[in-house]
Amino acid sequence: AQSVSQHNHHVILSEAASLELGCNYSYGGTVNLFWYVQYPGQHLQLLLKYFSGDPLVKGIKGFEAEFIKSKFSFNLRKPSVQWSDTAEYFCAVNSGSGYALNFGKGTSLLVTP
Amino acid sequence: GAVVSQHPSWVICKSGTSVKIECRSLDFQATTMFWYRQFPKQSLMLMATSNEGSKATYEQGVEKDKFLINHASLTLSTLTVTSAHPEDSSFYICSAPGSGSYYGYTFGSGTRLTVV
Repeated sequence: AQSVSQHNHHVILSEAASLELGCNYSYGGTVNLFWYVQYPGQHLQLLLKYFSGDPLVKGIKGFEAEFIKSKFSFNLRKPSVQWSDTAEYFCAVNSGSGYALNFGKGTSLLVTP
Repeated sequence: GAVVSQHPSWVICKSGTSVKIECRSLDFQATTMFWYRQFPKQSLMLMATSNEGSKATYEQGVEKDKFLINHASLTLSTLTVTSAHPEDSSFYICSAPGSGSYYGYTFGSGTRLTVV
């Protein structure tokens, strides 16, 4: 069955620390991969996406993610987090344009001053 | 960019009543709309997919008669929670796929439903 796993449910970091959030998927065939962020009280916003090409994807707000096909992973990274990065982060996968997204359970990130 | 407007943002209703949630694509035509449900501190779970001019496709375990979905036009999809009960209290979110080379998804701001 198709699934998306996010390993870290709760992460607490100090400002300026580096961030890496894990995401693994179980899908056959072509996949499109996404990371979304949900700030408190707000709707989902797209951080970055991967469809094809360079497996290292750069997104907004200094985030990047690397698609490693052999590991079925799409981990999210940021070299130096800020307090304003406190939010819920969701990895999502689908098998093609126009298909519904399958979301991971999310990772709650708290950045302390 | 593509915008999906979702209303209401929050609603409180009595048990046994029905509630309608609307999602409108403001600057593009949404032939497809996905409806998700999000429980507190949990992920988004796909409930159903609505397609303009045809019947919605529901995910396994979602009651078709309780969650009525209508996609009457290319810019409007509605979700009606019928005979609502406290266990239907949740956060409902709609999403439309993008078009062209973007292949992104636009999300509504969500509706917080509380059934008392």
